[in-house]
Amino acid sequence: GENVEQHPSTLSVQEGDSAVIKCTYSDSASNYFPWYKQELGKRPQLIIDIRSNVGEKKDQRIAVTLNKTAKHFSLHITETQPEDSAVYFCAASRGSYIPTFGRGTSLIVHP
Amino acid sequence: DSGVTQTPKHLITATGQRVTLRCSPRSGDLSVYWYQQSLDQGLQFLIQYYNGEERAKGNILERFSAQQFPDLHSELNLSSLELGDSALYFCASSVEVGEQFFGPGTRLTVL
Repeated sequence: GENVEQHPSTLSVQEGDSAVIKCTYSDSASNYFPWYKQELGKRPQLIIDIRSNVGEKKDQRIAVTLNKTAKHFSLHITETQPEDSAVYFCAASRGSYIPTFGRGTSLIVHP
Repeated sequence: DSGVTQTPKHLITATGQRVTLRCSPRSGDLSVYWYQQSLDQGLQFLIQYYNGEERAKGNILERFSAQQFPDLHSELNLSSLELGDSALYFCASSVEVGEQFFGPGTRLTVL
């Protein structure tokens, strides 16, 4: 089955800096890669996703890049703000298969 | 608000007991997924139902079972509870494959 590795497990940045979270996947047939943000005690919420026919997608301060050859994808957050502090999960899936989630990255943005 | 509801929000019980967690998916969503999230752990997929039928099984213990009813709400039954079953249990729903919408979760504490 699919295996998703996510790094780093913890990321600490200063407000205004950029943050990058990386994920690798094992199943070359995976074609859907969502990112979820989970604030403390709350439910995971989709913040951005990318499909395998696209290399990059942006939405304001967040972007996701996908390298199908290397089987990795990354989340980029620019101009970080304290409200970006949360746990971020990547996931990978193909077709109707259940997404496999990474173990999560705890992002801490210091004011 | 994702449109997915879960009850109860909190549940405190003793080892050996049995509990039922309930989930109502978003209107129109046929798929329901159950996840377990332990402290500092990622999202562990338990089971998926699609339009009343079990579609996929993850790392679900034999002590756990689920079902989806004709009105599409789902219940997760946890029996012979152990201390290690203490966790956040999330339900998510989706139309088909793609974005999953998570409910607010049920926090289960087994004493």
